[in-house]
Amino acid sequence: GAVVSQHPSRVICKSGTSVKIECRSLDFQATTMFWYRQFPKQSLMLMATSNEGSKATYEQGVEKDKFLINHASLTLSTLTVTSAHPEDSSFYICSARLTNSQETQYFGPGTRLLVL
Amino acid sequence: EDKVVQSPLSLVVHEGDTVTLNCSYEVTNFRSLLWYKQEKKAPTFLFMLTSSGIEKKSGRLSSILDKKELSSILNITATQTGDSAIYLCAVPFIYGQNFVFGPGTRLSVLP
Repeated sequence: GAVVSQHPSRVICKSGTSVKIECRSLDFQATTMFWYRQFPKQSLMLMATSNEGSKATYEQGVEKDKFLINHASLTLSTLTVTSAHPEDSSFYICSARLTNSQETQYFGPGTRLLVL
Repeated sequence: EDKVVQSPLSLVVHEGDTVTLNCSYEVTNFRSLLWYKQEKKAPTFLFMLTSSGIEKKSGRLSSILDKKELSSILNITATQTGDSAIYLCAVPFIYGQNFVFGPGTRLSVLP
């Protein structure tokens, strides 16, 4: 149980285009999902907390107009990188918290984004 | 400010060795500490610790929390090359919300 999927797993796009990444909890409902970014050889950096049915909460320094987050249902959250630039190239990981669980987060497999 | 520190940041051992990874934290209203293993992709859950002194065990991995010392250790016995990964320690600092992650310990197990 507690499986989280992400799609796509890898994407290459041209500078200026937008990319949408989906995060799904497959066998549980998640009222809260988290989006992280990870640079090579570094730990995870939280970008935003996504709550079903409400606006996402962004961490300091993360542009909400550039990284659009939508959590339309209890099993799906999406992250859209708008007008992507090469510096947006990174590994994006989502996680979901079991509704009835206090703390444990389960991570998706991640999406590697390369902007040319 | 809430923070999580891990040591060592990097460790190289040979197969069969036993390793101990450390995590210390300063978090308001501590409730739990979690260990994750990250290989090439996203982290996978290992342990969640909430009570001091109670060891959690899974195969060759074990972990224990010391609330008095504000720390936890993760032990791996008889290491294998497949144990090579980054081991992350995380502490939730707001109920139901995000974690504070440590920097991770990069473990390399040589054949």
